[in-house]
Amino acid sequence: AQRVTQPEKLLSVFKGAPVELKCNYSYSGSPELFWYVQYSRQRLQLLLRHISRESIKGFTADLNKGETSFHLKKPFAQEEDSAMYYCALSDSGGYQKVTFGIGTKLQVIP
Amino acid sequence: NAGVTQTPKFRVLKTGQSMTLLCAQDMNHEYMYWYRQDPGMGLRLIHYSVGEGTTAKGEVPDGYNVSRLKKQNFLLGLESAAPSQTSVYFCASSPRSSNQPQHFGDGTRLSIL
Repeated sequence: AQRVTQPEKLLSVFKGAPVELKCNYSYSGSPELFWYVQYSRQRLQLLLRHISRESIKGFTADLNKGETSFHLKKPFAQEEDSAMYYCALSDSGGYQKVTFGIGTKLQVIP
Repeated sequence: NAGVTQTPKFRVLKTGQSMTLLCAQDMNHEYMYWYRQDPGMGLRLIHYSVGEGTTAKGEVPDGYNVSRLKKQNFLLGLESAAPSQTSVYFCASSPRSSNQPQHFGDGTRLSIL
């Protein structure tokens, strides 16, 4: 069974401090991993996916298969980064079954 | 493009009442999903559909029914609402490929009294 663990429900950091949102997964195959973000009163939207190896809004995430992790990082937090962040894993089976973590609320303190 | 549109945005029901949530997407996506979002539990899949005329159960299907009569629409029904179904409901759609992200609607906030 696939599982996504986000150990922190709330992460508070000061503006300008580095951010790391943790995500660990359990999956027997080759995972497709995503980070979604939900700003206050907005819909969930894709932030980034591991296959693209891109940086969005200063955030990056590297897939570490040895540690089964996909942590989200940003060197300098900004107030507008305050939001709920969800890590998600998609299998490569017959349909796109996506498992979401419980989410981490990032609070950037001015 | 509007993307994924959910109606209504808010609704209050009494226990035992029924209602249908509508999800419409204009991206010609094959897959559609209904999730519920509860504090401390993240997003949980209720039902999903891999194409017109097909539906399947997700993680928490009890008390809900769905239909996908047209490719662009995915309906979620509550036959007899219960307070435990108070939640925020999200619809999403995606293309067939596994490495493509899901696109979400704005959500429906449903309260059952």
